[in-house]
Amino acid sequence: GAVVSQHPSWVICKSGTSVKIECRSLDFQATTMFWYRQFPKQSLMLMATSNEGSKATYEQGVEKDKFLINHASLTLSTLTVTSAHPEDSSFYICSAIGTAKSQAFFGQGTRLTVV
Amino acid sequence: KQEVTQIPAALSVPEGENLVLNCSFTDSAIYNLQWFRQDPGKGLTSLLLIQSSQREQTSGRLNASLDKSSGRSTLYIAASQPGDSATYLCAVRKDSSYKLIFGSGTRLLVRP
Repeated sequence: GAVVSQHPSWVICKSGTSVKIECRSLDFQATTMFWYRQFPKQSLMLMATSNEGSKATYEQGVEKDKFLINHASLTLSTLTVTSAHPEDSSFYICSAIGTAKSQAFFGQGTRLTVV
Repeated sequence: KQEVTQIPAALSVPEGENLVLNCSFTDSAIYNLQWFRQDPGKGLTSLLLIQSSQREQTSGRLNASLDKSSGRSTLYIAASQPGDSATYLCAVRKDSSYKLIFGSGTRLLVRP
């Protein structure tokens, strides 16, 4: 149990376009989801926390208008990178907390490359 | 501000060797500490989770210890195998919010 799936696994997009990444909890209801970003050879950095049905809370330094997060249901959160630039190229990974709240479970990540 | 550091950044060992990975954190007021494994281009696999009240956790060939007072945790891998090659991350949860603060990881290579 406790499977979190991200889609797509990798995506290449042109500079200036927008990209949507989905994070789904497949076998549990996720009351809270987290979005992290990982640059090459660096650690994961928390970008934002999203609770179902409410606005996301962004970490300091993360542009909320650039990284749009929607958590419209208990099994789906989406991260949209708007007007992507090459410096947004990174590994984006989500995690989800269920109602049992034992620990956060992570998706497999999405490799974004902006050209 | 909590900071998590992992040493060494990279480690190469021959198969069969026992090894220790280190994690240190600056603020001892933690909720729990978790060790993850990350394969190249992949997500995270949780290995061990130690609650703040615990001293260690074991799973198979893995043993993780926690010393809150000194701000340290170690991950001990016994009889290492080539399949253990991956990046190992430690992460600290500071409160009930479930936010995790990650170290930069140790890249482990176990040579056949």
